[in-house]
Amino acid sequence: DVKVTQSSRYLVKRTGEKVFLECVQDMDHENMFWYRQDPGLGLRLIYFSYDVKMKEKGDIPEGYSVSREKKERFSLILESASTNQTSMYLCASRRGGTDTQYFGPGTRLTVL
Amino acid sequence: GQQLNQSPQSMFIQEGEDVSMNCTSSSIFNTWLWYKQEPGEGPVLLIALYKAGELTSNGRLTAQFGITRKDSFLNISASIPSDVGIYFCAPYSGGGADGLTFGKGTHLIIQP
Repeated sequence: DVKVTQSSRYLVKRTGEKVFLECVQDMDHENMFWYRQDPGLGLRLIYFSYDVKMKEKGDIPEGYSVSREKKERFSLILESASTNQTSMYLCASRRGGTDTQYFGPGTRLTVL
Repeated sequence: GQQLNQSPQSMFIQEGEDVSMNCTSSSIFNTWLWYKQEPGEGPVLLIALYKAGELTSNGRLTAQFGITRKDSFLNISASIPSDVGIYFCAPYSGGGADGLTFGKGTHLIIQP
């Protein structure tokens, strides 16, 4: 079974703080993704990575950056958290050349 | 840009009723995926459709890939309480490392 884990289920941060969200997958998948989920807007792609040290912007990359130093780990970074980044953040991974993405349980981030 | 419409946004039904939801897009796709997200969890793939006109079943779930390749529907027959969740369509062109574009979701609520 594919397992995608996220470092925290719930996180509360203050405006201006630097925030790290970590994601780890155990199936040697090449592709990894970060989405945010907001009511009425569905899931929106922030960044993705198709290999180690490679990254591509998704649909809403502003205010975020990512890091992929190892194949199994994909980090989402909020350089200076703002209240409009309060959301559910979902990480996913996928074996290259396939369609199925496997999601982690999500991190609910609140920025005060 | 591509437009993806999923409807209905939410459904309040009685246990035992059948459910139908659909997605339409302004673009043509090679693959339609349907995901389900249960409360507090990440989305999980339910059904994948790869051919226009294809009708695929998975237990009480049936999904179809529209002939025009611009739409898909998902039916659930004889709903049970564990069907509660948010259902997302995710059309995909395939072949690359890109992330998915998700519909805004159909929130299914079952009244006992």
